[in-house]
Amino acid sequence: GAGVSQSPSNKVTEKGKDVELRCDPISGHTALYWYRQSLGQGLEFLIYFQGNSAPDKSGLPSDRFSAERTGGSVSTLTIQRTQQEDSAVYLCASSLGGTTSGNTIYFGEGSWLTVV
Amino acid sequence: DQQVKQNSPSLSVQEGRISILNCDYTNSMFDYFLWYKKYPAEGPTFLISISSIKDKNEDGRFTVFLNKSAKHLSLHIVPSQPGDSAVYFCAASDGTDKLIFGTGTRLQVFP
Repeated sequence: GAGVSQSPSNKVTEKGKDVELRCDPISGHTALYWYRQSLGQGLEFLIYFQGNSAPDKSGLPSDRFSAERTGGSVSTLTIQRTQQEDSAVYLCASSLGGTTSGNTIYFGEGSWLTVV
Repeated sequence: DQQVKQNSPSLSVQEGRISILNCDYTNSMFDYFLWYKKYPAEGPTFLISISSIKDKNEDGRFTVFLNKSAKHLSLHIVPSQPGDSAVYFCAASDGTDKLIFGTGTRLQVFP
C-alpha cells in the first residue's frame, strides 16, 4: 500500500491476556518505529528497527513488551499479560533511513488498545 | 524527564489571524526538529522541519523558528484556517535516529 498499515485498528482485551499488533511499513523503508500515546500524553518512543542492525529497545516500558521485524519489513509488537495502564494508541512509523540523515518518518493510523 | 516540552495544551485562534505554537527542549544535543499535525483517529503527519544550522524554515503558510541559545522553537501559521484545527506535536532528533516528541498543543481555529 501507499502508507503505513496497522492492524487491528481497535482491540479490546481482558487484563492478563496477550496481544499482538501488526505493522506493514511503506515499501522500501528500512527504518521502522513503534510509539504509543496514552490519554493526555505525548508520543512515547518504544522501539526502533533499522535494516539488519540490532533494534533500539530503550523505550520498551517493561519486559512484557517485545517486538520483532521479520524480513526487514513487517513488524509485530507483542504485549504479554496486559495491564490497564497499557491502554493507549500504538503508532507504527517508517522512514527511508534514520532521522539523523534528515529523513521524515511517516505514521500509520494506529492501533487503539483498551485493556479492561 | 520530559526533554521536549509544549507547555500550552491548547490554543484558540480566529480564522485569518496568526497561530503561534511553542516548544522548548532541554537536550543541547538535539540537532533536527520537526512539527507533526494530528487529526482525531488518524496518525500524525509531517508538517515542517528545521536543522540546527538554520534559524528559520518556511513552507507556504507555515514557518518554523529555532532559537538555539534559548532552546526554543515555534511554529507560526498565517493566515490560520479552520482546517488547521488539530493537535500539533513538536519533535526533536537526539542523534540516535529516534524522535522525541512533546505532549502536543491542540489548536482550534474558529470562524
